[in-house]
Amino acid sequence: NAGVMQNPRHLVRRRGQEARLRCSPMKGHSHVYWYRQLPEEGLKFMVYLQKENIIDESGMPKERFSAEFPKEGPSILRIQQVVRGDSAAYFCASSARTGTGQNTEAFFGQGTRLTVV
Amino acid sequence: GESVGLHLPTLSVQEGDNSIINCAYSNSASDYFIWYKQESGKGPQFIIDIRSNMDKRQGQRVTVLLNKTVKHLSLQIAATQPGDSAVYFCAETGGTSYGKLTFGQGTILTVHP
Repeated sequence: NAGVMQNPRHLVRRRGQEARLRCSPMKGHSHVYWYRQLPEEGLKFMVYLQKENIIDESGMPKERFSAEFPKEGPSILRIQQVVRGDSAAYFCASSARTGTGQNTEAFFGQGTRLTVV
Repeated sequence: GESVGLHLPTLSVQEGDNSIINCAYSNSASDYFIWYKQESGKGPQFIIDIRSNMDKRQGQRVTVLLNKTVKHLSLQIAATQPGDSAVYFCAETGGTSYGKLTFGQGTILTVHP
């Protein structure tokens, strides 16, 4: 049973380009969360999605950032017109359920390290 | 080298010692707490969790203590090993009904052989 898969592991983009980060949740998981980790900081929540729905995007920057989790395929975090400040590690987590009962634990992927040059 | 960690608290211990990592939280509505271990270049790895109706929970070599009165959480690692060297984060759900996590700043644990 593969864990949360993120790709690419490393991504280099020039300022102004678009970055697409992919996350395939664990098998059977329909809840996906994206987090950003800037150097010298902890992880910061960005967005929570279920299949075809954005549930909570309170941590997403207002411009240039978007996320989706289509019925088929991986979740995508898209950053348009990247700037150097977007350089960070982006982590995806998935869970089978929400709440604080069984099977609600969130499992993290290995992250995508985005470098904007 | 990596700049991450320059401003994070650090804890250095000798192999075989017990380690205690502390975390303070501010949201009194938080009802679920988790400790994660993050090794260099990897994602956070679940260690142990605790719900707000408990004040202590034990796992294999790890114990989490929760003091809701002062909003404090601690992780105790027994007989620390070099493989335990990593950054440790506490996280809480802030009372949300889903898995939105708020992470603490992290503590760098270095275990010397």
